[in-house]
Amino acid sequence: DTGVSQNPRHKITKRGQNVTFRCDPISEHNRLYWYRQTLGQGPEFLTYFQNEAQLEKSRLLSDRFSAERPKGSFSTLEIQRTEQGDSAMYLCASSPHGRGADTQYFGPGTRLTVL
Amino acid sequence: GQQLNQSPQSMFIQEGEDVSMNCTSSSIFNTWLWYKQDPGEGPVLLIALYKAGELTSNGRLTAQFGITRKDSFLNISASIPSDVGIYFCAGLVNNAGNMLTFGGGTRLMVKP
Repeated sequence: DTGVSQNPRHKITKRGQNVTFRCDPISEHNRLYWYRQTLGQGPEFLTYFQNEAQLEKSRLLSDRFSAERPKGSFSTLEIQRTEQGDSAMYLCASSPHGRGADTQYFGPGTRLTVL
Repeated sequence: GQQLNQSPQSMFIQEGEDVSMNCTSSSIFNTWLWYKQDPGEGPVLLIALYKAGELTSNGRLTAQFGITRKDSFLNISASIPSDVGIYFCAGLVNNAGNMLTFGGGTRLMVKP
């Protein structure tokens, strides 16, 4: 059973550019989450999918951020017109349906640096 | 919004020592999770707690879900060098979109 995978692991971009990250959840986990973590802080919730439906979005998710999970499997997180304040680790997590649904398993993260 | 206060923020350990850390909140949580994070990696789940008063062990790790549902504790017995890292508590309220609220972390370091 492979864990949550994320690509790329690192991304360096110039301010104003668009970036897209991918998350592949644990197989058959129908719930998928995105979090953002800045240095020295705990992760902060961004958004949550159940299958392909985006059910919750944080106020942290500005209109420059968009997340999709078109077929209920992998998910993408896009940031448009990146700003230096977007520099952070972007973490994806997944959890199963039913028993254990509260237990979220995290991927290795994508570290974004905006120059 | 909900906040978790995690303490201590950092601590030095010597190999063989027992370690304790805790998380408190002004709000009630239905689930408590404890994670460990190494530099440049994602959080790795250590222990999950689902019921008030529950005490659960995972090897040398023991965690408890506080009876008031507003706190949780993690103990590490007989620490070893690979225990070094950042430990996070996280709470979940089932009717709040399944979002985890994280504490600020406890950084474990080895005494020189």
